[in-house]
Amino acid sequence: DSGVTQTPKHLITATGQRVTLRCSPRSGDLSVYWYQQSLDQGLQFLIHYYNGEERAKGNILERFSAQQFPDLHSELNLSSLELGDSALYFCASSVGGLAGGVDTQYFGPGTRLTVL
Amino acid sequence: EDKVVQSPLSLVVHEGDTVTLNCSYEVTNFRSLLWYKQEKKAPTFLFMLTSSGIEKKSGRLSSILDKKELFSILNITATQTGDSAVYLCAVRAGGTSYGKLTFGQGTILTVHP
Repeated sequence: DSGVTQTPKHLITATGQRVTLRCSPRSGDLSVYWYQQSLDQGLQFLIHYYNGEERAKGNILERFSAQQFPDLHSELNLSSLELGDSALYFCASSVGGLAGGVDTQYFGPGTRLTVL
Repeated sequence: EDKVVQSPLSLVVHEGDTVTLNCSYEVTNFRSLLWYKQEKKAPTFLFMLTSSGIEKKSGRLSSILDKKELFSILNITATQTGDSAVYLCAVRAGGTSYGKLTFGQGTILTVHP
């Protein structure tokens, strides 16, 4: 158990809908990262937040957005869902800050999203 | 664009064998290289390497980084069926994208009894 929690574990929804995935980082970690894992693309970085502020964006679609709240939990919002959005979505956390680049990212159990 | 290539893509061995997994990378402003093991769900952290030539060890697993030749290897000795998993290599750059991990495709390791 990495100490990173994600809810829900599974989500099944229809095309065009909107969903919210939730992540709570390990105690003491200020950085939260979101990744998408699909069979054809592997693990892809989406976005990074540090202490409530967006720090870096990867291949995140405009239909997707995220935020990190004052209690450090984070939410990833996916809207106008398409079949191709079906994937495993992982959240990871790390200490962040001055340790940036050499702090370990620990992954949560993931949310499996299925879009029908 | 940052790039990580792992080889082989898959490997089938028998218990007791020793395996070597390879990871080569191209990244601007390298900060660290990480190895993860992924079984059914979340990637589990194995090692982080930042300095060239220093071996990290944990039980039967060990890893080393060569920053000059831009690669890393992960060795597993006396393999067990529980080592069957996907092994992922990822690199971390500095600068404005320091939060991002760029992953390789992974090596699928299957250990038969």
